[in-house]
Amino acid sequence: AQKVTQAQTEISVVEKEDVTLDCVYETRDTTYYLFWYKQPPSGELVFLIRRNSFDEQNEISGRYSWNFQKSTSSFNFTITASQVVDSAVYFCACHSGTYKYIFGTGTRLKVLA
Amino acid sequence: KAGVTQTPRYLIKTRGQQVTLSCSPISGHRSVSWYQQTPGQGLQFLFEYFSETQRNKGNFPGRFSGRQFSNSRSEMNVSTLELGDSALYLCASSLGSGAFFGQGTRLTVV
Repeated sequence: AQKVTQAQTEISVVEKEDVTLDCVYETRDTTYYLFWYKQPPSGELVFLIRRNSFDEQNEISGRYSWNFQKSTSSFNFTITASQVVDSAVYFCACHSGTYKYIFGTGTRLKVLA
Repeated sequence: KAGVTQTPRYLIKTRGQQVTLSCSPISGHRSVSWYQQTPGQGLQFLFEYFSETQRNKGNFPGRFSGRQFSNSRSEMNVSTLELGDSALYLCASSLGSGAFFGQGTRLTVV
């Protein structure tokens, strides 16, 4: 089976703090993709990043960074110097040919001014 | 490049009615998938279409159906609506692996 766990239901931070959103996945497929999406109040899911199972290189994009560790089946997402505009629900997802997209339950991030 | 367009954005229907939702993918994307998002169940995969053929189907009753046209536009139909069908329905299009989502259709069944 395939499963994505986002144990943090809601996180509140003060602006300019760093925050890490956790994601743990389970899959029996050897080839899979991991994603992070942001869902602002308007509803659409905004694509943030894709990682394939053979690429464990961490990635940094501006204030965003991702730490992929196959040994712990984790794909964590860190926002540095958070801003109010970062407030949203963030979803981690796993995609494979067998199971298609499986989403975590999301983490609601509130950044307070 | 235009994004994924879903229409309508909001819809209110009565129990027992049927509804059709529309999704226009990003130009050039041939894969369209549909998801249901509810507070209780989260995001759940409904089905995926590629080149007018259903490639994958989630665990939903037969009241939920879809189709894809030759221009890759897709429609989703729900018949005999139930209160529990109230949800945000999201459509995603992709070229490979990496889906881009529309803003969704918020369906309320009363």
